[in-house]
Amino acid sequence: GENVEQHPSTLSVQEGDSAVIKCTYSDSASNYFPWYKQELGKRPQLIIDIRSNVGEKKDQRIAVTLNKTAKHFSLHITETQPEDSAVYFCAASYQKLVFGTGTRLLVSP
Amino acid sequence: EAGVVQSPRYKIIEKKQPVAFWCNPISGHNTLYWYRQNLGQGPELLIRYENEEAVDDSQLPKDRFSAERLKGVDSTLKIQPAELGDSAVYLCASSSTGNTIYFGEGSWLTVV
Repeated sequence: GENVEQHPSTLSVQEGDSAVIKCTYSDSASNYFPWYKQELGKRPQLIIDIRSNVGEKKDQRIAVTLNKTAKHFSLHITETQPEDSAVYFCAASYQKLVFGTGTRLLVSP
Repeated sequence: EAGVVQSPRYKIIEKKQPVAFWCNPISGHNTLYWYRQNLGQGPELLIRYENEEAVDDSQLPKDRFSAERLKGVDSTLKIQPAELGDSAVYLCASSSTGNTIYFGEGSWLTVV
């Protein structure tokens, strides 16, 4: 089955800096890659997703890139703000969504 | 549009007791999921329904866990008897075919 690895587990940045979170997946059949943001005690919320027919997608300060050959995908957050602080999960899906272990992002003012 | 609704939000029970969680998915979503999230980890799928059919329950511990989705809408997840290791957040989610998965707020279970 699918296995998703996510790095780093913790990421601390200063406000205004960029943050990058990387994931790798094992199942070459996976074709859907969403990213979820989860604040403490809250539900995971989709922030951006990408399908395997696209290499890059951007939504304001957030972008995701996908390298199907290497089975890597990454989340890029530019101009980080304190409210970006949360746990971010990547996931990969063919028939079943499998999550990474999460990255705790801390943005300091 | 109402989101995925779950109840109860919090439950504390003694080990060996039963517990049940209820989920009402987003209207029109034919796919319903139950995930378990342990502290500091990502959600793990327990069971996935397409309408009223359980199409993936490979990760559901069937000796103590059961689920149903009567009429293909609401769903319940039951644990009987509960063990200490079952303490976790139980997340219900729903989607329309091939589209984004939306999560509920979760049911926080503590087994003492």
